[in-house]
Amino acid sequence: DIQMTQSPSALSASVGDRVTITCRASQSISSSLNWYQQKPGKAPKFLIYAATSLQSGVPSRFSGSGSGTDFTLTISSLQPEDFATYYCQQSYNTPYTFGQGTKLEIK
Amino acid sequence: EVQLVESGGGLVQPGGSLRLSCAASGFTFSSYEMNWVRQAPGKGLEWVSYIGSGGTTMYYADSVKGRFTISRDNAKNSLYLQMNSLRVEDTAVYYCARPNCTKGVCFFDYWGQGILVTVSS
Repeated sequence: DIQMTQSPSALSASVGDRVTITCRASQSISSSLNWYQQKPGKAPKFLIYAATSLQSGVPSRFSGSGSGTDFTLTISSLQPEDFATYYCQQSYNTPYTFGQGTKLEIK
Repeated sequence: EVQLVESGGGLVQPGGSLRLSCAASGFTFSSYEMNWVRQAPGKGLEWVSYIGSGGTTMYYADSVKGRFTISRDNAKNSLYLQMNSLRVEDTAVYYCARPNCTKGVCFFDYWGQGILVTVSS
């Protein structure tokens, strides 16, 4: 199985900050990388697919980059509603493994 | 509007069985593959199982292989997960998730609200 490792596991930041979350795959997954946002008690919300493509309706302050084994999710200017846990997921092959999550907290 | 609604969760003793259902609406269910994903309390997301649109291709996570069975009824727009020989470590919120594929990449664009399964004596 492909292992997905996110860093950091937790991150404290302030409204208006620029933050970057990293996801590394244990083998090359081309651009088969997705990002999700999850708030407490809610189902995950799909944000980005194919490493860089923003889902319709997702604010443009979210962006993704990377290919192969190293990927990043960047939020250019944090808004209060962005404080949540973020997960990467590879869909290169089954099982479609997730990273362990990055909890973004208010500083 | 796409909707996925899980049901069938609850409290079960170790070694017991439970059958989860996911009722789909707002899209042509028979045209889509489907998945189950779970999340243990305070933990991350774990993919559990996949079923093809026709119901003949299934995959399972190693952690549930041989104990869980995924199935679907396209006439009823429903997805199922039969869970046998349940263990304490199967305690989680279970989500059904619809995959969509574009640019050669698949992603889960719609999720149910989740249903809690608690395995405890």
